[in-house]
Amino acid sequence: AQSVTQLDSQVPVFEEAPVELRCNYSSSVSVYLFWYVQYPNQGLQLLLKYLSGSTLVESINGFEAEFNKSQTSFHLRKPSVHISDTAEYFCAVSDDRWNDKIIFGKGTRLHILP
Amino acid sequence: GAVVSQHPSWVICKSGTSVKIECRSLDFQATTMFWYRQFPKQSLMLMATSNEGSKATYEQGVEKDKFLINHASLTLSTLTVTSAHPEDSSFYICSAREVRGYEQYFGPGTRLTVT
Repeated sequence: AQSVTQLDSQVPVFEEAPVELRCNYSSSVSVYLFWYVQYPNQGLQLLLKYLSGSTLVESINGFEAEFNKSQTSFHLRKPSVHISDTAEYFCAVSDDRWNDKIIFGKGTRLHILP
Repeated sequence: GAVVSQHPSWVICKSGTSVKIECRSLDFQATTMFWYRQFPKQSLMLMATSNEGSKATYEQGVEKDKFLINHASLTLSTLTVTSAHPEDSSFYICSAREVRGYEQYFGPGTRLTVT
């Protein structure tokens, strides 16, 4: 069965500093990887996804993640965070392209310090 | 676009009673809706998948007689927790996928507290 490990439950970082949120997954023949973000009092939103092709995927708000098959990782990075990035971030995996069964990690809370 | 709402956002009920949670897709039609449960500091766990007009498919370990799911229309699914017990206290989240769509759109969640 698929599984996802987010190593950090909380990550504090100063505004405008870079950040990396770590995610490792269990290996499978085919894997589709996602990062979701949950802002306070809102539902989860898809931030970015890897389905196939280029291993580096980007979001519209400056986040990027790189699929590393050899290390079974899909870490999320941003070179300079903003206070508005304060949220909970969930890494997720599916072995089904139609996304019927998504396995989520426990989430990482990103704290932006002024 | 693609907004999913849940009602109520927070509910307290007494042990032994039943509580219904609604999940609505506000601006699209959802043939498939998903129900998740999240315990504190744990990940979201899929409970069941429901398709409009058919019976829900429950994940292993989820009691279908306890968690009744109805997906009677393309914009509404309900989860009823029957004979609730304190161990059912949790955060329940739904998501919806539109017709011929791929992405799941998530609701804001419902916090259930059983006393």
